[in-house]
Amino acid sequence: EVQLVESGGGLVKPGGSLRLSCAASGFTFRSAWMNWVRQAPGKGLEWVGRLKSVTDGGTTDYAAPVKGRFIISRDDSKNTLYLQMNSLKTEDTGVYYCATAIGRLDFGFWGQGTLVTVSS
Amino acid sequence: DIVMTQSPDSLAVSLGERATINCKSSQSVFHSSTNKNYLAWYQHKPGQPPKLLIYWASTRESGVPDRFSGSGSGTDFTLTISSLQAEDVAVYYCQQYYGPPLTFGGGTKVEIK
Repeated sequence: EVQLVESGGGLVKPGGSLRLSCAASGFTFRSAWMNWVRQAPGKGLEWVGRLKSVTDGGTTDYAAPVKGRFIISRDDSKNTLYLQMNSLKTEDTGVYYCATAIGRLDFGFWGQGTLVTVSS
Repeated sequence: DIVMTQSPDSLAVSLGERATINCKSSQSVFHSSTNKNYLAWYQHKPGQPPKLLIYWASTRESGVPDRFSGSGSGTDFTLTISSLQAEDVAVYYCQQYYGPPLTFGGGTKVEIK
């Protein structure tokens, strides 16, 4: 059974940093392209970024609002995806999900999400 | 960037009736090399993660009831719920995964009339 479990959310002040983790199991993590998606309170879904598998180049792509502030990385030995969030803004508040699909580019599997609150 | 525009923003449908949601992309999401439309539909209920319903514009995900269907190609797509059930109350999103940035539509809230 595929499982994605996010952790690391919490309350942080504007300008601060936070690192989220996504622990994966039930599939070949090292082969998967992994994504982060967020939802601000009362808003729709917003793709944050993705990290390709090492065999596919291991490159990252980011949404414009987070480019230069957020960094996605992975540790294939630990089956874990990370999202390092720096220079946080109040508009970064929301639930953050990791998501992937097996051999496809859509998001067939999602974690339960972790809440990030950026507030003074 | 590819902008995804959904309509309507919300709709109320009687139990057992048809619900239709439209999604338009600002440029084609059809990839000629694979002959596929890079378009997915998700259902999102409060307190839960989104659930994939449809991928490649018209392929139903395993376990999704056959009352859900997707159609369209290029820039215009439709999600149809053929006979609305109470458990279908949710927000529905289209998403293109043609290329980064991946983008979602604004969402359509489906309620019972």
